[in-house]
Amino acid sequence: DTGVSQNPRHKITKRGQNVTFRCDPISEHNRLYWYRQTLGQGPEFLTYFQNEAQLEKSRLLSDRFSAERPKGSFSTLEIQRTEQGDSAMYLCASNGDSSGNTIYFGEGSWLTVV
Amino acid sequence: SQQGEEDPQALSIQEGENATMNCSYKTSINNLQWYRQNSGRGLVHLILIRSNEREKHSGRLRVTLDTSKKSSSLLITASRAADTASYFCATDEGYGNNRLAFGKGNQVVVIP
Repeated sequence: DTGVSQNPRHKITKRGQNVTFRCDPISEHNRLYWYRQTLGQGPEFLTYFQNEAQLEKSRLLSDRFSAERPKGSFSTLEIQRTEQGDSAMYLCASNGDSSGNTIYFGEGSWLTVV
Repeated sequence: SQQGEEDPQALSIQEGENATMNCSYKTSINNLQWYRQNSGRGLVHLILIRSNEREKHSGRLRVTLDTSKKSSSLLITASRAADTASYFCATDEGYGNNRLAFGKGNQVVVIP
């Protein structure tokens, strides 16, 4: 499968624990995005990278959220000290010069904080 | 804040009928996109329409854009049970596609 891959697909964690999600974009895509989606809502932009540079992070929900893309390939999204309100689906997407304006989304990582 | 705002409705139609959903937005845009999402899954890009285009077709999909009214519509013709999904519009808020603003989505149920 050559699409955007996200792991884990589902994560249940206790409040206060840290969680990390991984995203592997389509291989030739240099831009990578993270979105959050809660039930009944559309995705909400969090941050994006061009290669390894994080060019927009003002929409990260709090300082408990951080994202990295150390080598310009895969990316991780970490949530520290999780709260019940963090329960949501975290979506990763990518695009590149060859894909024009089309952004390709992964299947998402579901987080449930209990 | 989310800019793309669909008419928040759930559509329930019979297979073979057409489904129409609308989206309005607030600021200037470079383009507007429609996505489909099956329950619990990721989003699938359907179609993109640029701000200088008024109508675009892709298979059974027809999208219109009215920049004077800041609105768009998505028409799915001859619906199929497999079209059952949530449909979202997304705008770039004039920033290019690096920061899409999604609406709340329209749930469409196609009854076989």
